[in-house]
Amino acid sequence: AQTVTQSQPEMSVQEAETVTLSCTYDTSESDYYLFWYKQPPSRQMILVIRQEAYKQQNATENRFSVNFQKAAKSFSLKISDSQLGDAAMYFCATGGSQGNLIFGKGTKLSVKP
Amino acid sequence: DSGVTQTPKHLITATGQRVTLRCSPRSGDLSVYWYQQSLDQGLQFLIQYYNGEERAKGNILERFSAQQFPDLHSELNLSSLELGDSALYFCASSARGGPWAPRAFFGQGTRLTVV
Repeated sequence: AQTVTQSQPEMSVQEAETVTLSCTYDTSESDYYLFWYKQPPSRQMILVIRQEAYKQQNATENRFSVNFQKAAKSFSLKISDSQLGDAAMYFCATGGSQGNLIFGKGTKLSVKP
Repeated sequence: DSGVTQTPKHLITATGQRVTLRCSPRSGDLSVYWYQQSLDQGLQFLIQYYNGEERAKGNILERFSAQQFPDLHSELNLSSLELGDSALYFCASSARGGPWAPRAFFGQGTRLTVV
């Protein structure tokens, strides 16, 4: 069974600084996706970034990038130039065999002005 | 706007009652997933339908059931409700299922409160 672990329940970052959120996972799938979702106070689940496991190159989306270490089953999210609007819950997830998502418990990110 | 519509946004009901949550997927998406988000259990996958057929089950209680209709909208039925069923219920859709489903688009959720 797939599992996702986020070891940091809460993180804090100063505006304009960089923060890294950690995630480890376990899966029996040979090919899979990894995701970071953002959930602001509005509750909407917003896809931040996606990584295909077969790709060695780390995914980037503007200020968001990942450090994907397949052998270590690690998938961390780096947010550069943090903005107040980045404050939210961040969930790491992997894709199950039917395309369903298995989520970690989440990391609450606070951004200090 | 993700293109996934969930109704109602909020629902308050009493213990023992039955409710139906509705989800309209993005146009063209065949796969619908239901998730439950609660404080103690986090985000949990409940059930998936693909083109009208049940495809996968997660941690769904026997008191809960779902279906997907020919027009691809889906309903999640929750019966004999208990206080612990209070949660945010999300629907998500994707173009296809399977491990290569590239992404899922989420609705805004239905906040269910059981009193």
